[in-house]
Amino acid sequence: QKEVEQNSGPLSVPEGAIASLNCTYSDRGSQSFFWYRQYSGKSPELIMFIYSNGDKEDGRFTAQLNKASQYVSLLIRDSQPSDSATYLCAVNFPGANNLFFGTGTRLTVIP
Amino acid sequence: GAVVSQHPSWVICKSGTSVKIECRSLDFQATTMFWYRQFPKQSLMLMATSNEGSKATYEQGVEKDKFLINHASLTLSTLTVTSAHPEDSSFYICSASRGGDGYTFGSGTRLTVV
Repeated sequence: QKEVEQNSGPLSVPEGAIASLNCTYSDRGSQSFFWYRQYSGKSPELIMFIYSNGDKEDGRFTAQLNKASQYVSLLIRDSQPSDSATYLCAVNFPGANNLFFGTGTRLTVIP
Repeated sequence: GAVVSQHPSWVICKSGTSVKIECRSLDFQATTMFWYRQFPKQSLMLMATSNEGSKATYEQGVEKDKFLINHASLTLSTLTVTSAHPEDSSFYICSASRGGDGYTFGSGTRLTVV
């Protein structure tokens, strides 16, 4: 069964802190992993994607992938109130051309 | 690049009527588009995969006769909610992929059936 698991939160961090968002997935053969941000009432927007084990950095965002543990995370450094949103982890499972989404983690950055 | 336009952004319709939602890839050709539905405080649920020039593939539990999908060109897919009922009220989002580097979402359509 194809599953993507996320802690629904809410996760609250003070402004300037590091927010850590976690995601696990069911299929060890998965190759593509995506993090989306969704503001209330809006559609998801892509933050970054990762394919290889290790870290991938883009500005204040770092995605971390550990395929052996079937775990992918997103770190947000220097969190800002504008980062307050729901963060969706998505996985492209083998044999499927669509994305499977977790339920999302709601992040609140407190000024 | 990779812009997906979805229209309308919101619509209110009477129960029993039909509503058509359009999804266009503006700067790339999308052989495959995806239609999702999202209820409040829930994640995106894939409804169907729309393939250009062929019939859509529906997920289990999604009524193909109620949610009509047409993908007549490489840049346009439409979702028609037929005989809409209040329980069809939801946020409908389309998505398209250029391949390789992610899936771009349309801005979504908020459907309210009264």
